[in-house]
Amino acid sequence: EAGVVQSPRYKIIEKKQPVAFWCNPISGHNTLYWYLQNLGQGPELLIRYENEEAVDDSQLPKDRFSAERLKGVDSTLKIQPAELGDSAVYLCASSSDTLTGELFFGEGSRLTVL
Amino acid sequence: SQQGEEDPQALSIQEGENATMNCSYKTSINNLQWYRQNSGRGLVHLILIRSNEREKHSGRLRVTLDTSKKSSSLLITASRAADTASYFCATDAWDDKIIFGKGTRLHILP
Repeated sequence: EAGVVQSPRYKIIEKKQPVAFWCNPISGHNTLYWYLQNLGQGPELLIRYENEEAVDDSQLPKDRFSAERLKGVDSTLKIQPAELGDSAVYLCASSSDTLTGELFFGEGSRLTVL
Repeated sequence: SQQGEEDPQALSIQEGENATMNCSYKTSINNLQWYRQNSGRGLVHLILIRSNEREKHSGRLRVTLDTSKKSSSLLITASRAADTASYFCATDAWDDKIIFGKGTRLHILP
């Protein structure tokens, strides 16, 4: 069974440019998470989806960040415009059962903003 | 925001020794999980312990949970070079919001 797939793995952009990250969760997983991880830190939740509904986006900086999961399967996280401080790893995770709580993570998308 | 806080921040031990990492958290939880992250990779789930459990084992891993002290520990016995990684605790505070700590960086010396 394929794991969580993220792309691109690496992205380098100039500040003020837009960028988008894509995530395809494990088949059948209804819950999808986007986390941000700065160097040497733990993942910080940006947004959580249950199917196509964003049930927790309280930590998403909505002035420049947006996310969608239109058909309740794959998801896109966008930043526009990017700032220097957005350089980080963006992790996607999915889970099938919020009772067990186990998250399955993708390899992450590393963003460098110059 | 981060609920859990691991201690120590970094740990270096000789191969074959046991490694112990601690996690403290602030609010009541439904369960607590431990994850491992190898450099440049995603996180991998290791073990989950529920709020009504005190100890759990999985292979060379032993996790304890003390809800009165709001703390957990992860013990890795007979460490191997492949155990070199960062280890994170993650808490689920009954709202399905899984929050991670800052992690412990474990280095196993040959």
